[in-house]
Amino acid sequence: EIVLTQSPGTLSLSPGERATVSCRASQSVTSSSLAWYQQKPGQAPRLLISGASSRATGIPDSFSGSGSGTDFTLTISRLEPEDFAVYYCQQYGSSPPTFGGGTKVEIK
Amino acid sequence: QVQLVESGGGVVQPGRSLRLSCVASGFTFSSYGMHWVRQAPGKGLQWVAVISYDGSNKYNADSVKGRFTISRDNSKNTLYLQMNSLSPEDTAVYYCAKATYAVGTNSELDYWGQGTLVTVSS
Repeated sequence: EIVLTQSPGTLSLSPGERATVSCRASQSVTSSSLAWYQQKPGQAPRLLISGASSRATGIPDSFSGSGSGTDFTLTISRLEPEDFAVYYCQQYGSSPPTFGGGTKVEIK
Repeated sequence: QVQLVESGGGVVQPGRSLRLSCVASGFTFSSYGMHWVRQAPGKGLQWVAVISYDGSNKYNADSVKGRFTISRDNSKNTLYLQMNSLSPEDTAVYYCAKATYAVGTNSELDYWGQGTLVTVSS
């Protein structure tokens, strides 16, 4: 199975700053089948990005995804207070689908 | 609007069984694959199982193979997860999630339920 490694584990930033989260796959992700999810405490994950770079419905353009092959990035251009959360990447191009370990974006 | 509501969680002894349900509304349930994903306390997300739109194709994670069975009743807009031979390692919040495709594991998950907690303990 494809192992996804996210870095950093925790990102400490201030509102208004830029956040960059990395997701590296142990082998190439088929057809850029890579998604990003946001999870806040006590809530279910929410889909942000699919196909490595396509924003889901209702997701602001401050969120962007990029990458291909084995290296993918989620960027939040300007952090709002509600963006502080845990972010997960998921590959769904190969079975079984797998998730990264998560990156916590916390207020500095 | 899309809603997924899980139920059936609780405290269960090791070796016992439990069945989770997920009632869907706000979309044509019978047209989409459905997944179960779990999250152990304080941990990350782990995919558990998927079922195709008509129930004819099912896939499980190796960690639950032979113990968990995913199924669906399209007449009731309901997804199920039958969990047998439970162990403490199965303790987690179990989420049902909607796929964007009808068949297979190759799909992002665009809607999630709020989850139901399963605790396996003596």
